[in-house]
Amino acid sequence: DAGITQSPRHKVTETGTPVTLRCHQTENHRYMYWYRQDPGHGLRLIHYSYGVKDTDKGEVSDGYSVSRSKTEDFLLTLESATSSQTSVYFCAISERTGANQPQHFGDGTRLSIL
Amino acid sequence: SQQGEEDPQALSIQEGENATMNCSYKTSINNLQWYRQNSGRGLVHLILIRSNEREKHSGRLRVTLDTSKKSSSLLITASRAADTASYFCATDARSSGAGSYQLTFGKGTKLSVIP
Repeated sequence: DAGITQSPRHKVTETGTPVTLRCHQTENHRYMYWYRQDPGHGLRLIHYSYGVKDTDKGEVSDGYSVSRSKTEDFLLTLESATSSQTSVYFCAISERTGANQPQHFGDGTRLSIL
Repeated sequence: SQQGEEDPQALSIQEGENATMNCSYKTSINNLQWYRQNSGRGLVHLILIRSNEREKHSGRLRVTLDTSKKSSSLLITASRAADTASYFCATDARSSGAGSYQLTFGKGTKLSVIP
């Protein structure tokens, strides 16, 4: 298994509070991704990074920000959490970009916002 | 927007039977990938098929791709209880950022293999 660690694995918080999820990789892969997975929607890309301090928006980026100060860490922040952001969040990595590159996933963070 | 759509949404079979899942997509692709997700875990890459390939095998997995119909199928032969999982297809799209590619996932097929 690819060395990807997501933390925390579970979190319950209240509406309006800030939340930061962490993805840590030991593979030295350049590309990192944050997805959310919701029933009826599958996986949707939130943000991705193509290098240290290089990030871009995905399909559902509103309400989320990211940072990547080191190759191994990719942080996802909900500045002011809302109930619609209750979801399971997955981090993924890939060694290179390109249409023929598989992505490797962490085991997810289950986030509940009350 | 969802690019790939799997069919059926759920499938229940007996151990030893074959399982077939289908994926349809809307726009041209370079490659199509299939992933498996066990309950409570992340997705695991199974197989990639390029747009110029029609069929690919990997162990008990057989993937076909019909670009004229914009569809793919995943066949798992001689299924086992351990194959119980959700299966997703993913198609690629070039993004505007730094020439990188994004994957767009379907909603998945939930496969249950009954011992």
